[in-house]
Amino acid sequence: EVQLVESGGGLVQPGGSLRLSCSASGFTFRSHSVYWVRQSPGKGLEYVSGINGRQNVINYADSVKGRFTISRDNSKNTLFLQMSSLRAEDTAIYYCLKARYTDYESVDYPPFDHWGQGALVTVSS
Amino acid sequence: DIQMTQSPSTLSASVGDTITITCRASQSISNCLAWHQQKPGEAPKVLIFQASNLESGVPSRFSGSGYGTEFTLTISSLQPDDFATYYCQQYSSYLRTFGQGTKVEI
Repeated sequence: EVQLVESGGGLVQPGGSLRLSCSASGFTFRSHSVYWVRQSPGKGLEYVSGINGRQNVINYADSVKGRFTISRDNSKNTLFLQMSSLRAEDTAIYYCLKARYTDYESVDYPPFDHWGQGALVTVSS
Repeated sequence: DIQMTQSPSTLSASVGDTITITCRASQSISNCLAWHQQKPGEAPKVLIFQASNLESGVPSRFSGSGYGTEFTLTISSLQPDDFATYYCQQYSSYLRTFGQGTKVEI
C-alpha cells in the first residue's frame, strides 16, 4: 500500500524558515517523480514544486521560486521542501503527492495517483 | 498558466440523484485531466485520470468524459458518501492547475 506521510509543519514568523519532509513507502520511490501541492482557503489548491527520481528535473511555481527548495533522499525514501523567507500567504496545508507512472514510462507530465495527509504551515507573528 | 474553471461552485442534490459537474480549460489540454474528491478535514483523493479512467477502487457510479477544453464529471445515483468537494486538475504542463472546486451538498 502506498503511503505518503508529511511532517515538519508548524507556526513560523514572517521571514522565517521551515523544512517539510514526506516519508514514502509502498512503491519504488527512486523511480517516481514526487511533488508538493498546497491548499489555502484563499487560493484553493496550488501546485508548488516537483522533482523527478534522478533529481535532474525540478520545477517551481512562480509564487515560491527563489524561496523554496525541493529535494529528495532516495536512500531514505524521503522528499523535502525547504521553505525560507516565508510570507503570510504561504500559510496552507502542504501535501506530498506521487506520479502515477515511473520516470521511465515516457510521460512528460504524469498524473498524480496518491496524496499524503498534509502538513499545516502557519506563517504569523 | 492554464486556467481551470468549474461550474457550478455549489450543487444541492439528494441521495439517488444524478449530477454533472463541468470543468473548462483555458486552452486545449488533450485528455490530461483528473478529478479529485475531498471530504471535510481530509486530504483529497484521486477519482479519475486521463479524463475518463477510474482510479482503482472508485465506484462505477462515477464517470468522466471530455477532451480538449471541456470536461464533465457525472455521479449517478448519488450516495451519502459522495457529498464532498470535487476538483478538476490539468496535467498538460509541468504547472499543474486546479479548478476552484464544486461542493456537492445535501
